Amino acid sequence: QKEVEQNSGPLSVPEGAIASLNCTYSDRVSQSFFWYRQYSGKSPELIMSIYSNGDKEDGRFTAQLNKASQYVSLLIRDSQPSDSATYLCAVNSGGGADGLTFGKGTHLIIQP
Amino acid sequence: GAGVSQSPSNKVTEKGKDVELRCDPISGHTALYWYRQSLGQGLEFLIYFQGNSAPDKSGLPSDRFSAERTGGSVSTLTIQRTQQEDSAVYLCASSLGPPGETQYFGPGTRLLVL
Repeated sequence: QKEVEQNSGPLSVPEGAIASLNCTYSDRVSQSFFWYRQYSGKSPELIMSIYSNGDKEDGRFTAQLNKASQYVSLLIRDSQPSDSATYLCAVNSGGGADGLTFGKGTHLIIQP
Repeated sequence: GAGVSQSPSNKVTEKGKDVELRCDPISGHTALYWYRQSLGQGLEFLIYFQGNSAPDKSGLPSDRFSAERTGGSVSTLTIQRTQQEDSAVYLCASSLGPPGETQYFGPGTRLLVL
């Protein structure tokens, strides 16, 4: 059974600091990795996608992928109160009829 | 351009009634997905359409759930004889191509079964 694990938190980070969110996955053949942000009562919105080992940067966000360790992370630099949300890690194995397998999310709180 | 739209946004029904949820994907997106998010739970994958066909329906929770997609566009998720445990937010997503591509989510339908 495919599993995606995240620390549920809450993870509390001071404004302006770096928030580090982590995710591990069980399916070794997973090929596509996504970070979504979900505000309370809203639907998930895409933050980052990553497909290859290494780092991918987009503005204040950096996604890191290590397929050997089956580990994905998201770094948020210069954290803002508006970054307070639940961050969902999602994984797809590719090539089949499956959708994304989601973790249960990490609740991030940015303290002003 | 327009995103994924879903209707209704909220639905309250009585146990045992049938409900139909609708999803209109982003124009040009060939793949469409249904997920369910129960209170305090993660997103649960239900079914995926490539065009009008669903290669695998095993993610549907029970035989009371069915889904179809016509014209490669709009999809409906039907729940027959609703139960209280069906209460959840039902989310639809679409992507330009196969499942490995980025999925964009609609606002969801909040279903409450009394």
